[in-house]
Amino acid sequence: SAVISQKPSRDICQRGTSLTIQCQVDSQVTMMFWYRQQPGQSLTLIATANQGSEATYESGFVIDKFPISRPNLTFSTLTVSNMSPEDSSIYLCSVAGGNTEAFFGQGTRLTVV
Amino acid sequence: GENVEQHPSTLSVQEGDSAVIKCTYSDSASNYFPWYKQELGKRPQLIIDIRSNVGEKKDQRIAVTLNKTAKHFSLHITETQPEDSAVYFCAASRGDYKLSFGAGTTVTVRA
Repeated sequence: SAVISQKPSRDICQRGTSLTIQCQVDSQVTMMFWYRQQPGQSLTLIATANQGSEATYESGFVIDKFPISRPNLTFSTLTVSNMSPEDSSIYLCSVAGGNTEAFFGQGTRLTVV
Repeated sequence: GENVEQHPSTLSVQEGDSAVIKCTYSDSASNYFPWYKQELGKRPQLIIDIRSNVGEKKDQRIAVTLNKTAKHFSLHITETQPEDSAVYFCAASRGDYKLSFGAGTTVTVRA
């Protein structure tokens, strides 16, 4: 299975600032996704990161708040913009496709103060 | 969109007993159903999955069953051990790996 490296693993940020989370995979994968897991909750899909084009966002998530890049088949970034305490969550990237099922990175635990 | 319901929300079992978690889904086009185990502070880990062309799948002490007509699927853990204590999530997808998750089940195995 693919090895996913996600960083940072955790961060504490001031409200109103932005944080960019990186997801690096050790092999080319078809699909890359970003999920949010609010404290004590389940996982919710934010968007599909499309290689070379704009991400596809799920209902309730917008590009201005969560801009996503995917310049190639092994790398993606998620930015959490203009943060508020409600953005405190774990953000996870996931990869899938080909012979790879849906695996998750180790997550980024974000606390906004 | 897809709606996945998961029951129970908490489950406490005696070590050695079996645990069963049930999920229902709403989208008849869903055809891929993975189960994840998440230990405290760690990432969700895929433990087993099933596709719609299969009714049951087993991997050692873990099994998953799927009833497409009723749109429900279940996770069965036999001979539970303390290391099985975790939060378990079911999920459903149309095959594009965009996963809709259930709310999770916290499983506690009592020694």
